[in-house]
Amino acid sequence: EIVLTQSPATLSLSPGEGATLSCGASQSIHSRYLAWYQQKPGLAPRLLISDASTRATGIPDRFSGSGSGTKFTLTISRVEPEDFAVYYCQQYGRSLSFGGGTRVEIK
Amino acid sequence: EVLLVESGGGLVQPGGSLRLSCAASGFTFSNYAMNWVRQAPGKGLEWVSAIIGSGDNIWYADSVEGRFTVSRDNSKNTVYLQMYSLRAEDTALYYCAKSTNLRASDFDYWGQGTLVTVSS
Repeated sequence: EIVLTQSPATLSLSPGEGATLSCGASQSIHSRYLAWYQQKPGLAPRLLISDASTRATGIPDRFSGSGSGTKFTLTISRVEPEDFAVYYCQQYGRSLSFGGGTRVEIK
Repeated sequence: EVLLVESGGGLVQPGGSLRLSCAASGFTFSNYAMNWVRQAPGKGLEWVSAIIGSGDNIWYADSVEGRFTVSRDNSKNTVYLQMYSLRAEDTALYYCAKSTNLRASDFDYWGQGTLVTVSS
């Protein structure tokens, strides 16, 4: 089983600031099969990024993904008020698993 | 419009059984893998099970292997999760999620979830 570790657990930011969220894998992830999701309270998760760096339909370009192997990053260039939420990474290279999440909160 | 609607959740005693259903519409159901993902109250996401479009390949998380069974009926556009020997730690909101392709992968559409509570 591939274990995903997300850091930091909580990120406190002001609107307009940039955000860098990390996702580390216990083993190399095949073919960059890593996704990022956003979840707001009371709602189902929303797919942001597939295959490490491909934005899903309708996702603003302030969200970008990068990385390979065991280290992946989600970057929000300038955080908007609607971006405060919990973010999860998920790997689908070998079986499937989620990271523990990073909460992006208002400073 | 893609729509996933889960049902079948409820209160069940430890050791009991429950069957969840997820009715899908708005896409060619048999062309996509389907998944179950759960979220315990106040906790993160946990992938539970996946079944490819034909139903021939199935995967389970270690935490439910041997206790849960996933199946699908492509004639009814429905995926099921039969849960046996339920434990308190199975208490969660159970989401049905559509894979982006035929195999177990990332998830582009999710249902609203159905709550399973295991308690005496």
